[in-house]
Amino acid sequence: DTAVSQTPKYLVTQMGNDKSIKCEQNLGHDTMYWYKQDSKKFLKIMFSYNNKELIINETVPNRFSPKSPDKAHLNLHINSLELGDSAVYFCASSQDFPGLADEQFFGPGTRLTVL
Amino acid sequence: AQSVTQPDIHITVSEGASLELRCNYSYGATPYLFWYVQSPGQGLQLLLKYFSGDTLVQGIKGFEAEFKRSQSSFNLRKPSVHWSDAAEYFCAVLIHDMRFGAGTRLTVKP
Repeated sequence: DTAVSQTPKYLVTQMGNDKSIKCEQNLGHDTMYWYKQDSKKFLKIMFSYNNKELIINETVPNRFSPKSPDKAHLNLHINSLELGDSAVYFCASSQDFPGLADEQFFGPGTRLTVL
Repeated sequence: AQSVTQPDIHITVSEGASLELRCNYSYGATPYLFWYVQSPGQGLQLLLKYFSGDTLVQGIKGFEAEFKRSQSSFNLRKPSVHWSDAAEYFCAVLIHDMRFGAGTRLTVKP
Protein backbone atom coordinates (compact mmCIF):
# COMPACT_ATOMS: atom_id res chain seq x y z
CA ASP A 1 0.00 0.00 0.00
CA THR A 2 1.25 3.44 -0.89
CA ALA A 3 1.79 5.56 2.22
CA VAL A 4 1.54 8.98 0.58
CA SER A 5 -0.05 9.19 -2.85
CA GLN A 6 -0.52 12.09 -5.23
CA THR A 7 -2.62 12.54 -8.34
CA PRO A 8 -1.97 13.28 -11.07
CA LYS A 9 1.63 12.29 -11.60
CA TYR A 10 1.94 14.63 -14.58
CA LEU A 11 -0.08 17.76 -15.29
CA VAL A 12 0.33 19.89 -18.40
CA THR A 13 -1.82 22.98 -18.72
CA GLN A 14 -1.94 26.46 -20.15
CA MET A 15 -1.27 29.75 -18.45
CA GLY A 16 -4.27 31.23 -16.73
CA ASN A 17 -5.95 27.91 -15.97
CA ASP A 18 -6.95 26.71 -12.52
CA LYS A 19 -5.80 23.25 -11.45
CA SER A 20 -5.70 21.00 -8.39
CA ILE A 21 -3.31 18.34 -7.18
CA LYS A 22 -4.58 15.77 -4.72
CA CYS A 23 -2.69 14.14 -1.88
CA GLU A 24 -3.71 11.33 0.42
CA GLN A 25 -1.85 9.62 3.25
CA ASN A 26 -2.88 6.36 4.88
CA LEU A 27 -0.39 6.55 7.74
CA GLY A 28 -2.74 8.15 10.23
CA HIS A 29 -0.45 11.16 10.48
CA ASP A 30 -1.56 14.46 11.94
CA THR A 31 0.43 16.83 9.75
CA MET A 32 0.69 17.15 5.98
CA TYR A 33 2.87 19.37 3.81
CA TRP A 34 3.31 20.68 0.30
CA TYR A 35 6.76 21.31 -1.15
CA LYS A 36 7.82 22.81 -4.47
CA GLN A 37 10.94 21.53 -6.24
CA ASP A 38 12.17 23.86 -8.95
CA SER A 39 14.16 23.03 -12.07
CA LYS A 40 17.39 23.20 -10.07
CA LYS A 41 16.09 20.53 -7.72
CA PHE A 42 15.78 23.02 -4.86
CA LEU A 43 13.05 21.95 -2.43
CA LYS A 44 11.09 24.57 -0.56
CA ILE A 45 8.21 24.12 1.83
CA MET A 46 4.97 25.81 0.84
CA PHE A 47 2.45 24.79 3.46
CA SER A 48 1.89 22.52 6.38
CA TYR A 49 -1.45 21.54 7.85
CA ASN A 50 -2.06 20.06 11.27
CA ASN A 51 -5.56 18.89 12.13
CA LYS A 52 -7.04 21.11 9.44
CA GLU A 53 -5.19 24.17 10.65
CA LEU A 54 -2.61 25.93 8.54
CA ILE A 55 0.61 26.00 10.52
CA ILE A 56 3.15 27.42 8.11
CA ASN A 57 2.61 29.51 5.06
CA GLU A 58 5.85 30.59 3.46
CA THR A 59 5.96 33.45 0.98
CA VAL A 60 3.69 31.68 -1.44
CA PRO A 61 1.37 33.62 -3.76
CA ASN A 62 -2.25 33.54 -2.69
CA ARG A 63 -3.03 31.88 -6.02
CA PHE A 64 -1.98 28.74 -4.18
CA SER A 65 -4.39 27.44 -1.58
CA PRO A 66 -4.25 24.18 0.37
CA LYS A 67 -7.53 22.50 1.13
CA SER A 68 -7.90 19.70 3.66
CA PRO A 69 -11.26 17.94 3.61
CA ASP A 70 -10.05 15.57 6.34
CA LYS A 71 -6.88 14.59 8.18
CA ALA A 72 -5.84 12.15 5.46
CA HIS A 73 -6.04 14.58 2.57
CA LEU A 74 -4.35 17.84 1.68
CA ASN A 75 -5.09 19.08 -1.81
CA LEU A 76 -3.32 21.95 -3.52
CA HIS A 77 -5.37 24.36 -5.62
CA ILE A 78 -3.63 26.73 -7.97
CA ASN A 79 -5.47 29.59 -9.65
CA SER A 80 -4.38 31.57 -12.70
CA LEU A 81 -1.36 29.40 -13.42
CA GLU A 82 1.83 31.12 -14.49
CA LEU A 83 4.89 29.86 -16.34
CA GLY A 84 6.93 30.09 -13.15
CA ASP A 85 4.64 27.62 -11.44
CA SER A 86 6.17 24.83 -13.51
CA ALA A 87 7.87 22.54 -11.03
CA VAL A 88 7.52 19.25 -9.23
CA TYR A 89 5.20 19.44 -6.24
CA PHE A 90 5.65 16.99 -3.40
CA CYS A 91 3.20 16.16 -0.70
CA ALA A 92 4.49 14.81 2.62
CA SER A 93 3.16 13.82 6.01
CA SER A 94 4.45 13.37 9.54
CA GLN A 95 2.99 12.18 12.81
CA ASP A 96 3.68 15.25 14.87
CA PHE A 97 3.68 19.02 14.62
CA PRO A 98 6.21 20.44 12.23
CA GLY A 99 9.33 21.26 14.16
CA LEU A 100 9.19 18.19 16.35
CA ALA A 101 11.75 15.47 15.76
CA ASP A 102 9.80 13.50 13.25
CA GLU A 103 10.40 11.92 9.89
CA GLN A 104 8.40 13.17 6.94
CA PHE A 105 7.12 10.69 4.39
CA PHE A 106 6.99 11.97 0.83
CA GLY A 107 4.69 11.25 -2.04
CA PRO A 108 6.02 10.50 -5.54
CA GLY A 109 5.56 14.07 -6.77
CA THR A 110 3.44 15.77 -9.40
CA ARG A 111 5.27 17.32 -12.31
CA LEU A 112 3.38 20.46 -13.36
CA THR A 113 4.19 22.05 -16.70
CA VAL A 114 2.59 25.37 -17.58
CA LEU A 115 2.67 26.27 -21.27
CA ALA B 1 21.10 33.64 7.48
CA GLN B 2 20.09 30.16 8.48
CA SER B 3 20.90 27.70 5.74
CA VAL B 4 21.78 24.20 4.67
CA THR B 5 24.70 23.86 2.28
CA GLN B 6 25.67 20.96 0.11
CA PRO B 7 28.90 22.16 -1.49
CA ASP B 8 29.03 19.52 -4.21
CA ILE B 9 26.45 19.83 -6.96
CA HIS B 10 27.60 16.70 -8.78
CA ILE B 11 29.87 13.84 -7.76
CA THR B 12 31.01 10.90 -9.88
CA VAL B 13 32.47 7.78 -8.30
CA SER B 14 33.34 4.34 -9.62
CA GLU B 15 31.28 1.39 -8.54
CA GLY B 16 32.84 -0.16 -5.47
CA ALA B 17 34.57 3.05 -4.42
CA SER B 18 33.81 4.86 -1.19
CA LEU B 19 31.55 7.89 -1.07
CA GLU B 20 31.23 10.97 1.08
CA LEU B 21 28.63 13.66 0.49
CA ARG B 22 29.05 16.85 2.43
CA CYS B 23 26.43 18.83 4.31
CA ASN B 24 26.88 21.91 6.46
CA TYR B 25 24.28 23.90 8.31
CA SER B 26 24.22 27.29 9.92
CA TYR B 27 21.69 27.47 12.72
CA GLY B 28 22.08 28.73 16.25
CA ALA B 29 20.91 25.52 17.85
CA THR B 30 21.60 21.95 16.84
CA PRO B 31 18.82 21.06 14.47
CA TYR B 32 17.41 17.69 13.70
CA LEU B 33 19.27 16.38 10.66
CA PHE B 34 18.21 14.15 7.78
CA TRP B 35 19.49 12.68 4.56
CA TYR B 36 17.01 11.88 1.82
CA VAL B 37 17.57 10.21 -1.56
CA GLN B 38 15.60 10.93 -4.70
CA SER B 39 15.87 8.47 -7.56
CA PRO B 40 15.00 9.76 -11.04
CA GLY B 41 11.29 10.46 -11.32
CA GLN B 42 10.68 9.34 -7.76
CA GLY B 43 9.82 10.95 -4.45
CA LEU B 44 12.15 11.35 -1.52
CA GLN B 45 13.13 8.42 0.63
CA LEU B 46 14.65 8.84 4.07
CA LEU B 47 18.13 7.33 4.39
CA LEU B 48 18.84 8.27 7.99
CA LYS B 49 18.28 10.89 10.64
CA TYR B 50 19.99 12.36 13.68
CA PHE B 51 18.12 13.71 16.65
CA SER B 52 20.49 13.19 19.57
CA GLY B 53 22.84 10.65 21.13
CA ASP B 54 25.46 8.75 19.17
CA THR B 55 26.84 11.08 16.53
CA LEU B 56 27.40 8.26 14.04
CA VAL B 57 24.07 7.10 12.69
CA GLN B 58 23.38 4.12 10.49
CA GLY B 59 20.80 4.22 7.76
CA ILE B 60 19.32 2.07 5.08
CA LYS B 61 21.16 0.76 2.01
CA GLY B 62 24.50 0.72 3.84
CA PHE B 63 24.68 4.49 4.38
CA GLU B 64 25.91 6.19 7.51
CA ALA B 65 26.36 9.80 8.55
CA GLU B 66 28.36 11.52 11.22
CA PHE B 67 27.23 14.63 13.07
CA LYS B 68 30.10 16.94 14.00
CA ARG B 69 28.93 19.83 16.11
CA SER B 70 32.25 21.67 15.95
CA GLN B 71 32.08 21.72 12.16
CA SER B 72 28.29 22.09 11.86
CA SER B 73 28.42 19.17 9.48
CA PHE B 74 26.45 16.01 8.82
CA ASN B 75 28.29 14.19 6.05
CA LEU B 76 26.89 11.08 4.42
CA ARG B 77 29.16 8.12 3.74
CA LYS B 78 29.08 4.72 2.14
CA PRO B 79 32.12 2.41 2.02
CA SER B 80 31.29 0.79 -1.33
CA VAL B 81 28.96 2.38 -3.85
CA HIS B 82 26.62 0.33 -6.03
CA TRP B 83 25.33 1.38 -9.45
CA SER B 84 21.83 1.58 -7.98
CA ASP B 85 22.99 4.38 -5.66
CA ALA B 86 23.01 6.83 -8.56
CA ALA B 87 20.46 9.46 -7.52
CA GLU B 88 20.04 12.93 -6.04
CA TYR B 89 20.85 13.24 -2.35
CA PHE B 90 19.39 15.90 -0.11
CA CYS B 91 20.50 16.97 3.31
CA ALA B 92 17.77 18.56 5.42
CA VAL B 93 17.48 20.23 8.79
CA LEU B 94 14.39 20.58 10.92
CA ILE B 95 14.12 23.58 13.20
CA HIS B 96 10.57 24.91 12.94
CA ASP B 97 10.10 23.43 9.51
CA MET B 98 12.12 21.28 7.12
CA ARG B 99 14.83 23.07 5.13
CA PHE B 100 16.60 21.24 2.34
CA GLY B 101 20.02 21.70 0.81
CA ALA B 102 20.31 22.15 -2.94
CA GLY B 103 21.11 18.48 -3.45
CA THR B 104 24.09 16.50 -4.73
CA ARG B 105 23.71 14.42 -7.86
CA LEU B 106 25.63 11.15 -7.67
CA THR B 107 26.76 9.41 -10.83
CA VAL B 108 28.23 5.92 -10.56
CA LYS B 109 30.70 4.76 -13.21
CA PRO B 110 30.88 1.04 -14.06
